[in-house]
Amino acid sequence: AQTIHQWPVAEIKAVGSPLSLGCTIKGKSSPNLYWYWQATGGTLQQLFYSITVGQVESVVQLNLSASRPKDDQFILSTEKLLLSHSGFYLCAWSPTRAETLYFGSGTRLTVL
Amino acid sequence: GEQVEQLPSSLIVQEGASVLINCSYTDSASVYFPWYKQEPGKRLQFIIDIRSNMERKQNQRLTLLFDKKTKHLSLHITATQPGDSAIYFCSARNNNRIFFGDGTQLVVKP
Repeated sequence: AQTIHQWPVAEIKAVGSPLSLGCTIKGKSSPNLYWYWQATGGTLQQLFYSITVGQVESVVQLNLSASRPKDDQFILSTEKLLLSHSGFYLCAWSPTRAETLYFGSGTRLTVL
Repeated sequence: GEQVEQLPSSLIVQEGASVLINCSYTDSASVYFPWYKQEPGKRLQFIIDIRSNMERKQNQRLTLLFDKKTKHLSLHITATQPGDSAIYFCSARNNNRIFFGDGTQLVVKP
């Protein structure tokens, strides 16, 4: 069975500090990977997607970047956090580009 | 780009009632429409889906209707239970772009 693990569970960071969030998928080769940001109140915004190692597509510009260093790993990062980066970050995977998403448990980010 | 509108934003019902959640989208290129449920403290969970070549899909107490002409979907939940309390999200997928509605918070009172 496939599993998706996100880390850390929560982060409290200062404005201007760097950030790195991670996501690992086990049990599925070459998954399509996604990062979402969920605002307080529920709206889900797609940030990035990746269909293969080393390739990442940006959907919205939020002063964040993403990388896929391994087939099973997806990293979200920034060098300088903004207050507006606070929220809930969700990683998800899909077997193909035409199937449902399977979500991780998310990372709660608070920027002070 | 795609815009997904979901209504209502919240619903409060008594156990046993039926509810209807509506969703509309704008981009004709969207061809796959999965719905998700988010319970407090739990991860988003897939509940039902429909493709653009279908009009209706049922999964136990869930019925999903799709009108391609009007770009409208509706999720009908019958015989609601307190365990159905959650935020429900519709989504529209076009390849690797997946857009979500703002969610409907459903509260089912015992």
